Amino acid sequence: DTGVSQDPRHKITKRGQNVTFRCDPISEHNRLYWYRQTLGQGPEFLTYFQNEAQLEKSRLLSDRFSAERPKGSFSTLEIQRTEQGDSAMYLCASSWSGAPNEQYFGPGTRLTVT
Amino acid sequence: AQKVTQAQTEISVVEKEDVTLDCVYETRDTTYYLFWYKQPPSGELVFLIRRNSFDEQNEISGRYSWNFQKSTSSFNFTITASQVVDSAVYFCALRPASGGSYIPTFGRGTSLIVHP
Repeated sequence: DTGVSQDPRHKITKRGQNVTFRCDPISEHNRLYWYRQTLGQGPEFLTYFQNEAQLEKSRLLSDRFSAERPKGSFSTLEIQRTEQGDSAMYLCASSWSGAPNEQYFGPGTRLTVT
Repeated sequence: AQKVTQAQTEISVVEKEDVTLDCVYETRDTTYYLFWYKQPPSGELVFLIRRNSFDEQNEISGRYSWNFQKSTSSFNFTITASQVVDSAVYFCALRPASGGSYIPTFGRGTSLIVHP
């Protein structure tokens, strides 16, 4: 297994456009997490799934953000009507529910909203 | 509420110097986990260590060592004989050990630059 992968690695979009990111976790991991990281800050939790169920959402996840994990494997994070403040690195991580502390992170998707 | 403070924004050292990265935390939880992650320029966070609040033993792994002091709410990280490949941003993180949330709170990170 090659670890957690994210696509795309970079995305530049104009304000008001919708964007969608994909995360493929490590295959045997049933938990998947999304984080946002802005310049000079640590990652901030957005949401997480156990299998296909979205179990926790941060207040950072506004109505413009939606995440899905329809088959309990890959996940998508969509941002509608992007704003310049959405510019950040979006990180995905996965873990096994038996070892929740061991989160493995992907390389991230860097979003730039112009 | 949880808080992790990494007061050092950036540290610059010359190769082979020892360097300590500070981490101070605040939590009302009686049991919790502390973590250190490394984020190289490629962007991927790499897990370095996890420490349970019950276990105050210091740990050494090669050139890395960690000093956990519950009395001062600190979990400092020392790199001995630093190398250029150690250049990265290092994050300290904290999460409760009970309550059902598995979400860590990260500090703002310390950027370590090791010059040859």
